[in-house]
Amino acid sequence: AQKVTQAQTEISVVEKEDVTLDCVYETRDTTYYLFWYKQPPSGELVFLIRRNSFDEQNEISGRYSWNFQKSTSSFNFTITASQVVDSAVYFCALSEAMAIQGAQKLVFGQGTRLTINP
Amino acid sequence: DGGITQSPKYLFRKEGQNVTLSCEQNLNHDAMYWYRQDPGQGLRLIYYSQIVNDFQKGDIAEGYSVSREKKESFPLTVTSAQKNPTAFYLCASSGRHYPGAYNSPLHFGNGTRLTVT
Repeated sequence: AQKVTQAQTEISVVEKEDVTLDCVYETRDTTYYLFWYKQPPSGELVFLIRRNSFDEQNEISGRYSWNFQKSTSSFNFTITASQVVDSAVYFCALSEAMAIQGAQKLVFGQGTRLTINP
Repeated sequence: DGGITQSPKYLFRKEGQNVTLSCEQNLNHDAMYWYRQDPGQGLRLIYYSQIVNDFQKGDIAEGYSVSREKKESFPLTVTSAQKNPTAFYLCASSGRHYPGAYNSPLHFGNGTRLTVT
């Protein structure tokens, strides 16, 4: 069975600090996708990134970066020079690449509540 | 602008009553989903639909029902059989998924917070 673990329930840092959110996953599939979503106080989930299991290149997008390591089954997310607007709940998720045709079934981690203090 | 609309934002019901949560999308997406969010448990899949007039149970379908009569709409009914209905409910949609291909990610609505007393 697939499983995603975000061991950090809550993180609180001061603005401009760097912060890393951990994500560890379990799957028997050799082909799969990993995701990060952001949930601001308004409630909707905002898509941040998707990675497939064959692409272990780290990705950087502005102040955001992602470190995918298949050897440790981890897909960690780092925010550099954090800002108050980064405060949100962040979810890591996993889906099978060869899932049933027509729909994607995502398995989510428990989420990490990130608070950036001014 | 295209998006997913969930209504209402807050919903209050008495125990024993059925309640229906609305989800409408204008993204022309084939697939739609309902997730439930509880504190500390992440999101869990209730039901999903690949196409009109078809839907499948997710991981926690007991006590819920859905319909998919139109491509744009995927209402969720929380029945009196659901033991712990108080939660935050999120609807999502995506383009048709093709195994092994590069598929669009799920788009989410703003959610409905249901409180049953």
